[in-house]
Amino acid sequence: AAGVIQSPRHLIKEKRETATLKCYPIPRHDTVYWYQQGPGQDPQFLISFYEKMQSDKGSIPDRFSAQQFSDYHSELNMSSLELGDSALYFCASSAPSRAGLLETQYFGPGTRLLVL
Amino acid sequence: GDSVTQMEGPVTLSEEAFLTINCTYTATGYPSLFWYVQYPGEGLQLLLKATKADDKGSNKGFEATYRKETTSFHLEKGSVQVSDSAVYFCALNEGANFGNEKLTFGTGTRLTIIP
Repeated sequence: AAGVIQSPRHLIKEKRETATLKCYPIPRHDTVYWYQQGPGQDPQFLISFYEKMQSDKGSIPDRFSAQQFSDYHSELNMSSLELGDSALYFCASSAPSRAGLLETQYFGPGTRLLVL
Repeated sequence: GDSVTQMEGPVTLSEEAFLTINCTYTATGYPSLFWYVQYPGEGLQLLLKATKADDKGSNKGFEATYRKETTSFHLEKGSVQVSDSAVYFCALNEGANFGNEKLTFGTGTRLTIIP
């Protein structure tokens, strides 16, 4: 079965550089979520999109922005990178909700970002 | 706000031992509850879930029962294997009338099974 695809899998950047992470959801999934997992930490929600519109926002720095495109893939743009941005960034997707029922989120393998 | 409290690790068990990882939650409504597993160097995989009180989620020999009265969702397995070594995250999702919402995770419990 198709899974969530994230690229790149690994990324090394210098401080103050920019980075773009990409997420391709499972086919026919219309909702995408981004999470950040610091070393030894639990995943923290950053932002989500439903039908190409931002649906919820968590602890995402102003230096970060994201969008969902017409083919439902999403990109997380990170500017003025800081050492503390080094983390594993997960994307998850879920299917269209049925009458308010919760749909399970399926996670991608993550992008490991290292800021030097 | 919503929160999930997990049993702190690391937990080390011998193969075939009984496993319990405690998880309790705080939520304003009636959340769905999940256990995710993260194997070394990999992403998060859904292990099991329960969407309402008294539901039991099960998968790969793992079980967890949604206990509303104790706001708990403890993970259990009768006989663990070396391949179960991973980090286990308890999570909740409040949901909404119109769609999905973010997951709130516990801090994770690192489980190591020794032969």
